Amino acid sequence: EAAVTQSPRNKVAVTGGKVTLSCNQTNNHNNMYWYRQDTGHGLRLIHYSYGAGSTEKGDIPDGYKASRPSQENFSLILELATPSQTSVYFCASGDGGLGVTGQLYFGEGSKLTVL
Amino acid sequence: QQKVQQSPESLSVPEGGMASFNCTSSDRNFQYFWWYRQHSGEGPKALMSIFSDGDKKEGRFTAHLNKASLHVSLHIRDSQPSDSALYFCAARNTGANTGKLTFGHGTILRVHP
Repeated sequence: EAAVTQSPRNKVAVTGGKVTLSCNQTNNHNNMYWYRQDTGHGLRLIHYSYGAGSTEKGDIPDGYKASRPSQENFSLILELATPSQTSVYFCASGDGGLGVTGQLYFGEGSKLTVL
Repeated sequence: QQKVQQSPESLSVPEGGMASFNCTSSDRNFQYFWWYRQHSGEGPKALMSIFSDGDKKEGRFTAHLNKASLHVSLHIRDSQPSDSALYFCAARNTGANTGKLTFGHGTILRVHP
């Protein structure tokens, strides 16, 4: 079973503060993804990465940055957190690529509350 | 416009009954489909994929894909209380190399005794 670990699992931040959500995968997958989950919106893609050193914008990247320092680690950074970024964030890894099934393996989620 | 649309928003079935979910893509490039299930407090987990027209059966779960209409369905027979969860349909752009999945809003299933 693929393993994706997120930290912290719960975070309370103040408006204007910096928040870093971390993700580690032990699957040796090239691709990693950050999604946020909100009631009525399902899962929406924020940023993704093809491998160490690469980051790409997803569908809702505004207000977020990402960093992929290694194959195993992918971080989501909120430089100036706002209450609208209160959500549950999920990291996922996958093998990606054309001709590949593309199953994603998700972590357990990080609940962020911005006051 | 939401590229992957799911219905119904919620569903309640008796234990032992059949649960059915629907999903439609509005983008002809999205032809690879996945069903994911998420129990409360957990991350989504893949249930099954379907890439070809027709039915695919895995135990109590059957998926059906009609590529012409870009419609996919999921049926759970002999539903159990442990099947109560949020079910997502997800689609992948077959022409892209990103591996990204676009998710629908989800259907909440409640299986009552």
